[in-house]
Amino acid sequence: AQSVTQPDIHITVSEGASLELRCNYSYGATPYLFWYVQSPGQGLQLLLKYFSGDTLVQGIKGFEAEFKRSQSSFNLRKPSVHWSDAAEYFCAVGPGTLSGGSYIPTFGRGTSLIVHP
Amino acid sequence: DVKVTQSSRYLVKRTGEKVFLECVQDMDHENMFWYRQDPGLGLRLIYFSYDVKMKEKGDIPEGYSVSREKKERFSLILESASTNQTSMYLCASSPSPLGSYNEQFFGPGTRLTVL
Repeated sequence: AQSVTQPDIHITVSEGASLELRCNYSYGATPYLFWYVQSPGQGLQLLLKYFSGDTLVQGIKGFEAEFKRSQSSFNLRKPSVHWSDAAEYFCAVGPGTLSGGSYIPTFGRGTSLIVHP
Repeated sequence: DVKVTQSSRYLVKRTGEKVFLECVQDMDHENMFWYRQDPGLGLRLIYFSYDVKMKEKGDIPEGYSVSREKKERFSLILESASTNQTSMYLCASSPSPLGSYNEQFFGPGTRLTVL
């Protein structure tokens, strides 16, 4: 069965600093990988996704993520954080094939980003 | 833009009451989902539906049921609410097929408190 680990429950950064949120997955085939953001009091919004091709994926709001198959990772990065980036971030992994098992993406437990002025 | 709306942002109910949470999407998506979100536990899937009148249990279906009579509407029902069902409930939809790289579109959530 697929699984996702976000090792950091909370991350605190200063405004303007760079950011990296970690995501490790377990899946037997080629995964589909997603990063979502949840601003306070809101639902989840897709930041970016990877399913094939270039392993460096660009998303909205200046975010990017890199798929590293050898490390089973899909870390989210941003070069300069803004106060409005304070939110909960979720990594999710989806099945790469339709053969058996659940077809529903599995979500990590989330990382809460705190931004200091 | 895909829009997923949920009938209430905040709801307060009493133990034993029957509770209906409604979700509507306007993009003709085949798949709809109900999740429960609790601090430290992330999103847990309660039920999903891949077609009208079709439903499948997720990871934590106990104490819940669902109804999908129309393609755009997916309802979550708490037959007899209990305090341990106090939580944030998120509805989502996605286009077919399941298991593809299509992302899910989420509603704003309903924060349910059961007293």
